[in-house]
Amino acid sequence: EAQVTQNPRYLITVTGKKLTVTCSQNMNHEYMSWYRQDPGLGLRQIYYSMNVEVTDKGDVPEGYKVSRKEKRNFPLILESPSPNQTSLYFCASSPEAEGAETQYFGPGTRLLVL
Amino acid sequence: AQSVTQLGSHVSVSEGALVLLRCNYSSSVPPYLFWYVQYPNQGLQLLLKYTSAATLVKGINGFEAEFKKSETSFHLTKPSAHMSDAAEYFCAVTRGGATNKLIFGTGTLLAVQP
Repeated sequence: EAQVTQNPRYLITVTGKKLTVTCSQNMNHEYMSWYRQDPGLGLRQIYYSMNVEVTDKGDVPEGYKVSRKEKRNFPLILESPSPNQTSLYFCASSPEAEGAETQYFGPGTRLLVL
Repeated sequence: AQSVTQLGSHVSVSEGALVLLRCNYSSSVPPYLFWYVQYPNQGLQLLLKYTSAATLVKGINGFEAEFKKSETSFHLTKPSAHMSDAAEYFCAVTRGGATNKLIFGTGTLLAVQP
């Protein structure tokens, strides 16, 4: 089944404790991105990747890192999480970085930073 | 810069009634427009998208949307609401070229009353 998977789905952590949220897609998509969803703000892009080893900042990149060493994986790293990073995170992928392409979303990771 | 405005953060309709969710966009270039649906505790699923092929776009689950350039609108409609349509709906825009960043509206939560 073609899908985007994220792990973990739920995570509670404390301020300053490094964490990684994994994202994997099995559709051989070139483009991957991370969004965070906050009430009243919709979804905002954190980082994106056009292809392996090519990543760039989105609209809200502060406090996050990403890497794209393999085409299928695009982990999101919070090196020193803070409470304002409590949010619902979505990974997405699309065949190419073309505006008309449909993005396919993972199930989401709900993060609580205490 | 592109933006999307969704009028009405909460919409309530009776089962069998018309569903109308409003979306207005701002874009300096011809846009690509999307409607996504998010069911409780799930990721985002594409309902339909406009990519300039036809102004009236039909999507899944009986939804459709009409692109009106003169009104900069892309409203989502369904003739008869079902209980299963209760979800949050997001309008989003991208622009052409080698970019795939989705700019989301703040979402509309649709409630369907029996």
